[in-house]
Amino acid sequence: QSVLTQPPSASGTPGQRVTISCSGSSSNIGTNTVHWYQQLPGSAPKLLIYTDNQRPSGVPDRFSGSRSGTSASLAISGLQSEDEGDYYCATWDGRLNAFYVFGPGTKVTVL
Amino acid sequence: EVQLVESGGGLVQPGRSLRLSCAASGFTFDDFAMHWVRQVPGKGLEWVSCINWNSGKIAYADSVKGRFTISRDNAKNSLYLQMNSLRTEDTALYYCAKDINVYYYGSGSSFDYWGHGTLVTVSS
Repeated sequence: QSVLTQPPSASGTPGQRVTISCSGSSSNIGTNTVHWYQQLPGSAPKLLIYTDNQRPSGVPDRFSGSRSGTSASLAISGLQSEDEGDYYCATWDGRLNAFYVFGPGTKVTVL
Repeated sequence: EVQLVESGGGLVQPGRSLRLSCAASGFTFDDFAMHWVRQVPGKGLEWVSCINWNSGKIAYADSVKGRFTISRDNAKNSLYLQMNSLRTEDTALYYCAKDINVYYYGSGSSFDYWGHGTLVTVSS
């Protein structure tokens, strides 16, 4: 059971905008930055967004992130078929012995 | 080009030990904290352990504390995970990951490079 909550699935047609939420608490998202990882089928995870809204080099600007209070969100605009996969939010948790936590993941399907 | 290559996985009986290795290249290994993350096939990601640049600071998830030991050899550009008293629930694909931040891990840590993983199966 993760301390972060994500919807299990999200979907859209090509070109649409899809948003994925990540809900936490004051000990994690409320006080620490959020990162997002993309895992395409059969591949290792890839850093998609770091420090709430920063994109690593090579990540298209179709991907954007935000954080407010104890929640964060990832938006994918101009959805493409190659975006189909699993998306995980992650953050540091300040509770004793909790350290780095991942959300349960959201499976994005391109219809 | 940054590369992280894990090795050492395999089939092991419950209660036995296994040592994973991660060979790093393409970056200044001793400048960065490193992490192990695992994933049960078909399931989500679970952070396992991390070590800072000079091994002076180490942390473990509760699920492995007291059984797993993380270490690094900066001269060999290598990261290790010694796994003792293995349980069936430790069965997973184990990834080595590089921290985006220089020297230390902590609030703000994210993993900008990942290996392809090595599969550990604990079964009798």
